[in-house]
Amino acid sequence: DAGVIQSPRHEVTEMGQEVTLRCKPISGHNSLFWYRQTMMRGLELLIYFNNNVPIDDSGMPEDRFSAKMPNASFSTLKIQPSEPRDSAVYFCASSFRVNEQFFGPGTRLTVL
Amino acid sequence: GDSVTQMEGPVTLSEEAFLTINCTYTATGYPSLFWYVQYPGEGLQLLLKATKADDKGSNKGFEATYRKETTSFHLEKGSVQVSDSAVYFCALSDRQGGSEKLVFGKGTKLTVNP
Repeated sequence: DAGVIQSPRHEVTEMGQEVTLRCKPISGHNSLFWYRQTMMRGLELLIYFNNNVPIDDSGMPEDRFSAKMPNASFSTLKIQPSEPRDSAVYFCASSFRVNEQFFGPGTRLTVL
Repeated sequence: GDSVTQMEGPVTLSEEAFLTINCTYTATGYPSLFWYVQYPGEGLQLLLKATKADDKGSNKGFEATYRKETTSFHLEKGSVQVSDSAVYFCALSDRQGGSEKLVFGKGTKLTVNP
C-alpha cells in the first residue's frame, strides 16, 4: 500500500504568492481531512470531505484558504495570497471506517 | 464542545523506565478514544484505540483503558525504548454527533535516553 501521498514535501515561498498543496488518499477511502500543525496551536482540522463533498470547513482560517476534491483520488488545499503566519506543516489524512484516519507525511510550508 | 486534555511535556525517561501519559476528555456523547504517535518528520499513526467503557487498547507494549467514571484514557508502557521517542496525541471522536472529526490533545513529546 502506498499510503496517503502528499506533495510537495517542502515548499518555500514569498508572502503574497499562491500555494497549492496536493493529496492523494488511500484507494477506497471515502473521507479526506486537511490539518495544520504549528507549535503554538498544535494540530487543527481545517476541512474534511466525505465522498468528495465538503462536510465541515469551519476550521478554515480565512477566505485565503480553499480546498477542493474533484474526485475520490485527489484533493488540493490552496492559499492565496500566502502570509508568513501560514507557515506550518499541513497534513492530509484519509479514512474508510469512521475514526480510523491514516495520515500522510505532511507538507512543510514556509512563507517568507 | 468536546475537548481533550493531556499532560504537558516534554517527558524525558531512561530506557526501560515506566511511562504514563495522562489524558482526560470532555464529551457530550459516547466517544471513541485514541492514541496517535508522531515520529520525527512523519505524519501521525494510530497507536491504539478503545470504543467503549472499560475497553483496553494495546499495541507495541503500550496500553490504555477507557475509564468512563474518570473520563480518562491514560497511556502506559512498562519499559520504554529509545525507539519510542516521539510525540503522543490523545484524541476522541464522538459517534453520537455523527461526525467523523477527531478532537486532538496538544501532544506530549517523549524522549527516551539510552
